Amino acid sequence: GQQLNQSPQSMFIQEGEDVSMNCTSSSIFNTWLWYKQDPGEGPVLLIALYKAGELTSNGRLTAQFGITRKDSFLNISASIPSDVGIYFCAGQLVNAGNMLTFGGGTRLMVKP
Amino acid sequence: EPEVTQTPSHQVTQMGQEVILRCVPISNHLYFYWYRQILGQKVEFLVSFYNNEISEKSEIFDDQFSVERPDGSNFTLKIRSTKLEDSAMYFCASSGELAETQYFGPGTRLLVL
Repeated sequence: GQQLNQSPQSMFIQEGEDVSMNCTSSSIFNTWLWYKQDPGEGPVLLIALYKAGELTSNGRLTAQFGITRKDSFLNISASIPSDVGIYFCAGQLVNAGNMLTFGGGTRLMVKP
Repeated sequence: EPEVTQTPSHQVTQMGQEVILRCVPISNHLYFYWYRQILGQKVEFLVSFYNNEISEKSEIFDDQFSVERPDGSNFTLKIRSTKLEDSAMYFCASSGELAETQYFGPGTRLLVL
């Protein structure tokens, strides 16, 4: 199956620091989504990207859809303790219906 | 804000038993999905459902799995004869006109003993 490579796998940062994580794939994606998952809960949609090159913000979060449609990054500025969780990228492949392929996740830990 | 709901939140069952996981998607959504997440792993697609039929399914979704929309609000996943390896979190999701933008429920944690 298709693979999304997400990095880093985990990050431990100080409160107030900026964070960056990214996903890459060998395949082209129609749409790229970023989700956050807290322990024992479902993924919560953070940002959706629909066009190559698109840069979208949601509060302290900024995400971009790569020009080649094969990568995306998510930045979190001025991290706070409630940013703790696992962040997943997910992509919808061209001609693969609405199925989402998920990355392996980035576990973010924030030290107050 | 509308959200996807799932019941039960937890289910423990014996191997070989049938389980039905229930979901109420967001009310005006048209597309419905099931995903699963084995503990510590990434979320995996199982099946998508549109216009009262399966539109896509993964290799995981074998003959032991079935989905149904029995009425205008519920969407169910049935596992006919559970196996130990079916233990996972099962997430329902739905999407509206922007089919790619999927909203997930809180999940059902299934434990097969």
